[in-house]
Order: sequence, then C-alpha cells, then structure tokens
Amino acid sequence: NAGVMQNPRHLVRRRGQEARLRCSPVKGHSHVYWYRQLPEEGLKFMVYLQKENIIDESGMPKERFSAEFPKEGPSILRIQQVVRGDSAAYFCASSPDRGSEEKLFFGSGTQLSVL
Amino acid sequence: GESVGLHLPTLSVQEGDNSIINCAYSNSASDYFIWYKQESGKGPQFIIDIRSNMDKRQGQRVTVLLNKTVKHLSLQIAATQPGDSAVYFCAECERSGYALNFGKGTSLLVTP
Repeated sequence: NAGVMQNPRHLVRRRGQEARLRCSPVKGHSHVYWYRQLPEEGLKFMVYLQKENIIDESGMPKERFSAEFPKEGPSILRIQQVVRGDSAAYFCASSPDRGSEEKLFFGSGTQLSVL
Repeated sequence: GESVGLHLPTLSVQEGDNSIINCAYSNSASDYFIWYKQESGKGPQFIIDIRSNMDKRQGQRVTVLLNKTVKHLSLQIAATQPGDSAVYFCAECERSGYALNFGKGTSLLVTP
C-alpha cells in the first residue's frame, strides 16, 4: 500500500544547474499537486496537474519552473538554472479526484539545496 | 494578498493535558478548512477538516472549532501524547478542489 513516493529525498545542485524532482502518486490517483516549503514556513501552492494537463499553475514562478504529469510515469517538477533562493523542501500530494482534500496524501518531500 | 496565520509559533504542554492550537484567517470567502500534522522529515498528514457551514467537528481525540464571525479556527487535542509532538498547520481554500493556502505552523512539544 505505497503512498506518494518522491525522489530523490535530498538533491544538491550548484547554481545554474537543473533540478528534476519526481513524484509518483498513490496508485489510482490522477490528481497531483506540488507545494514548496521554506524553513519554518507553511507550504505554498505551486501547481495542480491531472494526467497530461496542467489545471492550475498560479503558484509557479513565471520563469525557470515547469511541471508535467505524463500519461505514463511520475510527475516531474523541473527547475532550470537553479539559484540559492530555490533551496526549499518540495512536496507532492495526490488525490483520486478533485474536491477530495480529505483523501489528499502528501509525500515525504524532496529537500533541494543549491550551493 | 490574503493570508492564513497562526497566533502562537510554539506550544509546550505536559503529557495528558489538552492542547489548543489557534489559527486566524483573513479570506472571508474561505469555505473549507483543514488541519495538518507534520513530523520532522515527513510530509503533512491530514488530521481533520471542517466546512464553513459547520462550527464544530470532532474526530478521535481531536476537535476543530470554526468561528466565522472572527475568522478563527482552533484545533483541540485531548489527552496530548508524546506522539502528538509535531508542527501543526491550518489550511484553507475558497472551494473544495482548489489550491490550499497554508499558515506558518505551530510547533507542539509534549513534555513528560
């Protein structure tokens, strides 16, 4: 009974490199959300995806950040040309449908450190 | 923009006592509220939710109270246990199915 799986758990990148964060939702869940958490802060919404569609990306920075959730495979959050300010914990959550927050499961996150 | 925030950043209680964690929100259109528990190195875990047409909801050892008049939300934990030590977040959204807005969190420390 696997939950939301995120990898890697820790990712270290130098400024200017690319970061790829992966999220495999709970089996059967077709809705994925990405959140970012800075130290001692709450989670900030970034993007909401369904299979092959971006539903809401209002929380995504306009540049360098992109997300996808292909028909097959995990959801990917991609950060190009990382800067120190991108250092944070990135959490993915999945749900079986829209409007099921009580069934929203979070992964353990990817801690991104930019040197 | 509008925000969700917490009154107390840290709360220390003795094992067996009741805990109350408070949350203030400013978005009058908020319709749905959730409390999450986050342990170190883990993602948030759903505890309990409440919709704006209710003012109280109870779960196992937890109760959420909603006061829409003053835009205040609280989480009560009965007979607090060491395993309850974590950071607690309130979150809200205007409608179910839309992005959740999280507060900054309250760290609950349960002492023996």
